Amino acid sequence: GENVEQHPSTLSVQEGDSAVIKCTYSDSASNYFPWYKQELGKRPQLIIDIRSNVGEKKDQRIAVTLNKTAKHFSLHITETQPEDSAVYFCAASGAGGSEGFKTIFGAGTRLFVKA
Amino acid sequence: DAGVIQSPRHEVTEMGQEVTLRCKPISGHNSLFWYRQTMMRGLELLIYFNNNVPIDDSGMPEDRFSAKMPNASFSTLKIQPSEPRDSAVYFCASSLRTGVVYGYTFGSGTRLTVV
Repeated sequence: GENVEQHPSTLSVQEGDSAVIKCTYSDSASNYFPWYKQELGKRPQLIIDIRSNVGEKKDQRIAVTLNKTAKHFSLHITETQPEDSAVYFCAASGAGGSEGFKTIFGAGTRLFVKA
Repeated sequence: DAGVIQSPRHEVTEMGQEVTLRCKPISGHNSLFWYRQTMMRGLELLIYFNNNVPIDDSGMPEDRFSAKMPNASFSTLKIQPSEPRDSAVYFCASSLRTGVVYGYTFGSGTRLTVV
């Protein structure tokens, strides 16, 4: 089955700096890679996703990159703000069959943005 | 749409008691997922349904856990008998699964404490 590893587990940056979170996955059949943000005491919320036919996707201050050959994908947050402080989860999912309905999550990265 | 609705928000119960968690997915979503979140183990997939049919319950920890989805708008997760190690936040999530995979919408979660 799929296994997703996420690094670092904790990341502290100064307001205005960039933050990068990296993930690797094991199943080459995975083709959908969402990222979720979870604020303290709240539900995870989808913030951006990328599919395997795309190498990069950007939405304002956040961007995701995907390297299917290396089975790596990353989240980049630029011009960080205190409200970006949260736990970020990467995930990987396939497209079909019983395994394809599963989304497997990384362990999460706790991001602290210092004002 | 009110989103994914879970009840109760908080549950405190004594060891050995039966606990039932409830979930109403987003109308039109055909896949439903139950996750458990703890500090030690992160987000664990317990079971998921597609078109009301259980597809994979390999994440259900023991026979004490059971889940049902009698119709497209309702699912339950039952723990009988409950144990202190079951204490966690239980999230329900729903998604649309066609030939294309989409991200999840999570409910607010049920915080379960077994004493």
